[in-house]
Amino acid sequence: NAGVTQTPKFRVLKTGQSMTLLCAQDMNHEYMYWYRQDPGMGLRLIHYSVGEGTTAKGEVPDGYNVSRLKKQNFLLGLESAAPSQTSVYFCASSYGDRNQPQHFGDGTRLSIL
Amino acid sequence: QQQVKQSPQSLIVQKGGISIINCAYENTAFDYFPWYQQFPGKGPALLIAIRPDVSEKKEGRFTISFNKSAKQFSLHIMDSQPGDSATYFCAAPWLGGSARQLTFGSGTQLTVLP
Repeated sequence: NAGVTQTPKFRVLKTGQSMTLLCAQDMNHEYMYWYRQDPGMGLRLIHYSVGEGTTAKGEVPDGYNVSRLKKQNFLLGLESAAPSQTSVYFCASSYGDRNQPQHFGDGTRLSIL
Repeated sequence: QQQVKQSPQSLIVQKGGISIINCAYENTAFDYFPWYQQFPGKGPALLIAIRPDVSEKKEGRFTISFNKSAKQFSLHIMDSQPGDSATYFCAAPWLGGSARQLTFGSGTQLTVLP
């Protein structure tokens, strides 16, 4: 059972380039989340989805877009990468939002030059 | 929006000692306060969680203490082991938009010396 799989694991971009981070879960979870992790700041929610075809903004959504075309996949896009988006990005999924643990992938380390 | 203050930022304890990490939240009406453990190069993983209708929950060497009136909760690791060396995050729920969200503390890097 793979759980939550994120691709790629590492990526270096130049300012202004675009890219998409892919998250896939095999637990049939309804809820999926994208976080960024920066030193000393914990995990901050970027966007989330409560089911296939839905997306919603989290705490720090600017500069990112997401899509959930299939229940098992949640994509995070950077349209025009900026150095401030250098971070480690984590995807998570959960069965629900009440008393349900979030299961995290191992992250994508993204550097914007 | 919810803010969660976590302390200390880093903690060094000797093997066999007690590790204590504290968190304070601003407001919540909800019922699930988790702690996550993260090893280098890995994603966070749920360690233990508590409902605020109880004041303490224990799982093995890990205990959460919850003080609802003070809006504080803490993680105690008894008989700390080198394998416990990791970063620990507390989280508090709040209702934002279409779902409950978790606000995470800034993390505590625990080092247990052999």
